[in-house]
Amino acid sequence: EDQVTQSPEALRLQEGESSSLNCSYTVSGLRGLFWYRQDPGKGPEFLFTLYSAGEEKEKERLKATLTKKESFLHITAPKPEDSATYLCAVFAGANSKLTFGKGITLSVRP
Amino acid sequence: DTAVSQTPKYLVTQMGNDKSIKCEQNLGHDTMYWYKQDSKKFLKIMFSYNNKELIINETVPNRFSPKSPDKAHLNLHINSLELGDSAVYFCASSERESVGELFFGEGSRLTVL
Repeated sequence: EDQVTQSPEALRLQEGESSSLNCSYTVSGLRGLFWYRQDPGKGPEFLFTLYSAGEEKEKERLKATLTKKESFLHITAPKPEDSATYLCAVFAGANSKLTFGKGITLSVRP
Repeated sequence: DTAVSQTPKYLVTQMGNDKSIKCEQNLGHDTMYWYKQDSKKFLKIMFSYNNKELIINETVPNRFSPKSPDKAHLNLHINSLELGDSAVYFCASSERESVGELFFGEGSRLTVL
């Protein structure tokens, strides 16, 4: 069965302190890896799709990268408004459903 | 103009009752989903419909019955509610099946007492 593990569970950063969130996966035949952001009391919001090792995507202070075993979401000089839970999900093999990780709760202090 | 809207946002009910959650999307998407997010924030798919046809039915008790009257609507009816059904239920849609870019509603928090 497809497995997605995100670490750490929670991360507290000072404003401006760059860091990375990890998503490791064990799947058979990755078809896509997806990052979502979820604010408290809201539904997840799509951020990025990565399809193959070596691919990178950027949006404002966020950059997502992919290797054959894991993905990183790099946050450069975060601001308090970046505080949210970041979810990673995969599509693999003949599976037609997304498998989500448990998420990483990021808090950025001013 | 909300893309995926679900109602109600909150439900509080007693064990044994029946409840429904409604979902509508105005994105013109073909595929709709129900996800359950438990207290540990773990998001798990329950059902998926493509053009009103059921395509994913995870291991969900048959007390849960989805219904899609048209491709813009997907409702969830739950019979004989149990304490363990307490969770946030999210409706989502995507342009077509087997894509990873989903658009989620704001969730319906169900509390069973």
